[in-house]
Amino acid sequence: NAGVTQTPKFRILKIGQSMTLQCTQDMNHNYMYWYRQDPGMGLKLIYYSVGAGITDKGEVPNGYNVSRSTTEDFPLRLELAAPSQTSVYFCASSPELGTGGFYNEQFFGPGTRLTVL
Amino acid sequence: QQQVKQSPQSLIVQKGGISIINCAYENTAFDYFPWYQQFPGKGPALLIAIRPDVSEKKEGRFTISFNKSAKQFSLHIMDSQPGDSATYFCAATWDNKLSFGAGTTVTVRA
Repeated sequence: NAGVTQTPKFRILKIGQSMTLQCTQDMNHNYMYWYRQDPGMGLKLIYYSVGAGITDKGEVPNGYNVSRSTTEDFPLRLELAAPSQTSVYFCASSPELGTGGFYNEQFFGPGTRLTVL
Repeated sequence: QQQVKQSPQSLIVQKGGISIINCAYENTAFDYFPWYQQFPGKGPALLIAIRPDVSEKKEGRFTISFNKSAKQFSLHIMDSQPGDSATYFCAATWDNKLSFGAGTTVTVRA
């Protein structure tokens, strides 16, 4: 099992450019998430999905878009990159987080470090 | 807004000592309280989790204490080892989403 994979690992963008961060999981999880991590701020939820074809906004969705056409893939699109989007981006997947009184782990990818100059 | 408040931001402990990280929350709808561990350059990974109807859970050297009436919970790392040096995040779940604390960087000095 590869778990959650993310590409690219690093990227430098110029202001106004666009890009797609790729995320794939091979655990057949229904739930997928995108977070950004900034120093001293923890992880903030950008978008999430409860299954193929269903997505919803998280805490900080502005400037981003997502799609979920398959169970495995959950790409994050940045349109018109801004310096405020400089961050480390993590994709995660999980089954339903709580079942039968037990917490089910949310599995994280290795992250993409994005710099916007 | 931060739904889960975490302190301290960082701490240094000697090898063999005890590390204590505290978290507080307001939303009584939270249903699980996991802790995640993150090493530099890696994604977070689950360390231990607790339900709000349990006051303490121990896994090896890691213990969660949970005080439902005070809406507080804490992580104790006993006999801290250099390999425990990492950033620790408390979190809370609601509607299949996680709210994270800001994180605590723990440095264990040999």
